[in-house]
Amino acid sequence: GENVEQHPSTLSVQEGDSAVIKCTYSDSASNYFPWYKQELGKGPQLIIDIRSNVGEKKDQRIAVTLNKTAKHFSLHITETQPEDSAVYFCAASPQGSARQLTFGSGTQLTVLP
Amino acid sequence: EPEVTQTPSHQVTQMGQEVILRCVPISNHLYFYWYRQILGQKVEFLVSFYNNEISEKSEIFDDQFSVERPDGSNFTLKIRSTKLEDSAMYFCASSSEGAGIFGSGTRLTVV
Repeated sequence: GENVEQHPSTLSVQEGDSAVIKCTYSDSASNYFPWYKQELGKGPQLIIDIRSNVGEKKDQRIAVTLNKTAKHFSLHITETQPEDSAVYFCAASPQGSARQLTFGSGTQLTVLP
Repeated sequence: EPEVTQTPSHQVTQMGQEVILRCVPISNHLYFYWYRQILGQKVEFLVSFYNNEISEKSEIFDDQFSVERPDGSNFTLKIRSTKLEDSAMYFCASSSEGAGIFGSGTRLTVV
């Protein structure tokens, strides 16, 4: 089955700096890659997703890149703010949707004011 | 903004008892899911449900588990004869095609 590895497990950045979180996946059949933000006591909240026919997607301060050949994808957050502090999860699915997602182990992002 | 609603937020049950976790998915979504997250571990896929039947399930989703959409709005996860290792956050999610919207979860504690 699919295995998703996520790094780093913790990341601290100064407010205004950029943060990068990286994930690798093992199953070449995976074609859908969402990123979720989870705040304490809440469920995962979708922040951006990308499909395998696209190499990059951007939404304001958040961008995701995908390298299908190397089987890795990354989340980039620019101009970080304290409210960006949370646990971020990457995930992968072969179903092109939220069906049968395999999650990474999460990254605790702390943005220091 | 539409949201997925889960009840209860916290459920404590004795080992061996049956529990039913409830979810109200987003009304125009067609796919429904259950995921779980054991404390400090990854979010794990349990089952997906489409057109009134299970479409995919993981190895975790054994005969102890069942899902049901008893009416047009609710989606339930039943765990028969709970074990201590079933203690976890259980998340319901729904989607049309693509992005899944997760609920806030039910924390199940088996004692």
